[in-house]
Amino acid sequence: DVKVTQSSRYLVKRTGEKVFLECVQDMDHENMFWYRQDPGLGLRLIYFSYDVKMKEKGDIPEGYSVSREKKERFSLILESASTNQTSMYLCASSRATEPQYFGPGTRLLVL
Amino acid sequence: GDSVTQMEGPVTLSEEAFLTINCTYTATGYPSLFWYVQYPGEGLQLLLKATKADDKGSNKGFEATYRKETTSFHLEKGSVQVSDSAVYFCALSHSGGSNYKLTFGKGTLLTVNP
Repeated sequence: DVKVTQSSRYLVKRTGEKVFLECVQDMDHENMFWYRQDPGLGLRLIYFSYDVKMKEKGDIPEGYSVSREKKERFSLILESASTNQTSMYLCASSRATEPQYFGPGTRLLVL
Repeated sequence: GDSVTQMEGPVTLSEEAFLTINCTYTATGYPSLFWYVQYPGEGLQLLLKATKADDKGSNKGFEATYRKETTSFHLEKGSVQVSDSAVYFCALSHSGGSNYKLTFGKGTLLTVNP
């Protein structure tokens, strides 16, 4: 079975802190994705990566950056957390044209 | 751009009732269509998919048929169970190349009562 793991299920941070969300997949997938999920808005793509060191902006990249130094790991970085970044963050991975597999999510609260 | 519209919830049903969750899409070309399910406290799981017109995806008693003429991919189940209570997301993608991105609907919360 494909396994996508995220470093934390719940996280509480203060405004202005630098926040790292980590995602690891164990199936040698080329593609990895970061989404945020908000009530009434569904899932929105923040960034994705289709290869090591490659990244592309999604629909809402502002305030976020990403890093992919190894194929299995994709990190989402909030350079200076703000309260409007309080959300559920979901990581996903996939092989080239196959469906995406999702991690369990990280619920981030920024105070 | 691409978009997915699904019926707003919440949907509340009694056990063994028939379920329909409507989903329509706007996209160029021939997207692949998906239904994902999110159980409480978990990430999304792929429920079923269809990759071309008239394909029927099915899994765990759920079905959806890719209707290009009506740009729809409605989710159905003949007899729901309490364990089907979850949020259901309709999604599309244009596969091929490196840009395999999903566009999601906003989700429909289903609650099934005993």
